[in-house]
Amino acid sequence: AQKVTQAQTEISVVEKEDVTLDCVYETRDTTYYLFWYKQPPSGELVFLIRRNSFDEQNEISGRYSWNFQKSTSSFNFTITASQVVDSAVYFCALRYETGANNLFFGTGTRLTVIP
Amino acid sequence: DVKVTQSSRYLVKRTGEKVFLECVQDMDHENMFWYRQDPGLGLRLIYFSYDVKMKEKGDIPEGYSVSREKKERFSLILESASTNQTSMYLCASSLLQGTSGANVLTFGAGSRLTVL
Repeated sequence: AQKVTQAQTEISVVEKEDVTLDCVYETRDTTYYLFWYKQPPSGELVFLIRRNSFDEQNEISGRYSWNFQKSTSSFNFTITASQVVDSAVYFCALRYETGANNLFFGTGTRLTVIP
Repeated sequence: DVKVTQSSRYLVKRTGEKVFLECVQDMDHENMFWYRQDPGLGLRLIYFSYDVKMKEKGDIPEGYSVSREKKERFSLILESASTNQTSMYLCASSLLQGTSGANVLTFGAGSRLTVL
C-alpha cells in the first residue's frame, strides 16, 4: 500500500524563522516519485518540486530546500527565513511508477508565518 | 494565465439535487482528475480520465460519476447530492504517463460545495 504521512497538522513560526515540514512515505515500489505542493488561501495547489526515487540529492531553490532520505523514507521540506507569503497548507505526495497516473497525498501541514 | 478552470468557486445545493461541477483545461493534457479535499483527510481521488470518453475509478467513487466528451473538459456529477458530499472539489490535469513532466498535476482553484 502507498501511504504518505505528514504528522504536523499545524505549525506557527515568527517571520524570518526557519521551519521544516516533515513527510514520511511508504511504498513497496522501487521506482516512485515524491512531490510537494503549496495551497495558498486562494485554494489552488501549486507545484513546488518533484523528486524520483533514484535521485537522493538534496535540492535548494531560493529559500526552499528539500532533504530526501530513502533510508528513513522521508522527504522533508525546509523554508529558510520564512515570510508571511509562505503561509499556506503544504502537501507531500507520492506517485509510483506503475499503475494509474495518480498522486497519493498526505493530509497536509498548515503553516502560519506571524509577522 | 489560467490553465485549469473550475466553473464555480462556491455552490450551495439541497439534498437530492443533481450537481454538475465543470472543469476545463487549456494545456492539451491527456489526463484529468477529480479530487475532494476534507480537513484531516488530505486529497482523495474520486475519478480520473486518461482520454476522451475514458474514465477510471479512484479511491472514493461512490455517489459520483464523470463525463469527458472533449479532451479539455471533465465534469463531475453528483446524481443525488447528500450532506456528506459537502467538501472542496479540486480538478487537475497532467500530461500522459511516460511524457516528460507527466507526473506534475496542474490544479484548478477548487469548487466548495455545500449540501444542505
